[in-house]
Amino acid sequence: AQTVTQSQPEMSVQEAETVTLSCTYDTSESDYYLFWYKQPPSRQMILVIRQEAYKQQNATENRFSVNFQKAAKSFSLKISDSQLGDAAMYFCAYRSATRASGSRLTFGEGTQLTVNP
Amino acid sequence: DTGVSQDPRHKITKRGQNVTFRCDPISEHNRLYWYRQTLGQGPEFLTYFQNEAQLEKSRLLSDRFSAERPKGSFSTLEIQRTEQGDSAMYLCASSLGSDTFATNEKLFFGSGTQLSVL
Repeated sequence: AQTVTQSQPEMSVQEAETVTLSCTYDTSESDYYLFWYKQPPSRQMILVIRQEAYKQQNATENRFSVNFQKAAKSFSLKISDSQLGDAAMYFCAYRSATRASGSRLTFGEGTQLTVNP
Repeated sequence: DTGVSQDPRHKITKRGQNVTFRCDPISEHNRLYWYRQTLGQGPEFLTYFQNEAQLEKSRLLSDRFSAERPKGSFSTLEIQRTEQGDSAMYLCASSLGSDTFATNEKLFFGSGTQLSVL
């Protein structure tokens, strides 16, 4: 079974600064997908960014980018120019690309990000 | 796109009672998921529907849990004989896909139903 670990329960950053959230995962599969989801106080999970394991190029979405290290099974999220609206719980998630493993997302424990003005 | 809607937003019940939650996905989405999230944890997968077919069930979904999606639109999740350990937030998500096997498509989540079992 796959596992996802987020070792930082809480992080804080000053507005306009850059912060990196860590995520590691454990899998024996070679093909899979990785995601970062954001959960603000409204509780609604929102997709931030996604990465296909077969792609060597790191995904970027505006101020959000990832550092995907497949050999190290690491998938960190970098938020540049942090804004007050970025404050939320961030979850790293894994999904297998193997049909036999199913369609579920496996989530980490989350990192609570605080943005200080 | 009115988003994924879940009802009720909060539910308080006594141990042993039955509860039912409803999820209305985004109208054109053929896939629907249920997850459970306890305080301080990430969501855990419960079950997955492709149209009206329930294709996957987690071992977390005990015999007391049942989910349906009768016409491939809205879905219900029922918990019978609730226990205090069932207290959690129940999240619904939907997505659009062309195959029965989900890949990297974007999931749209609702705001969840918070269940408290006294």
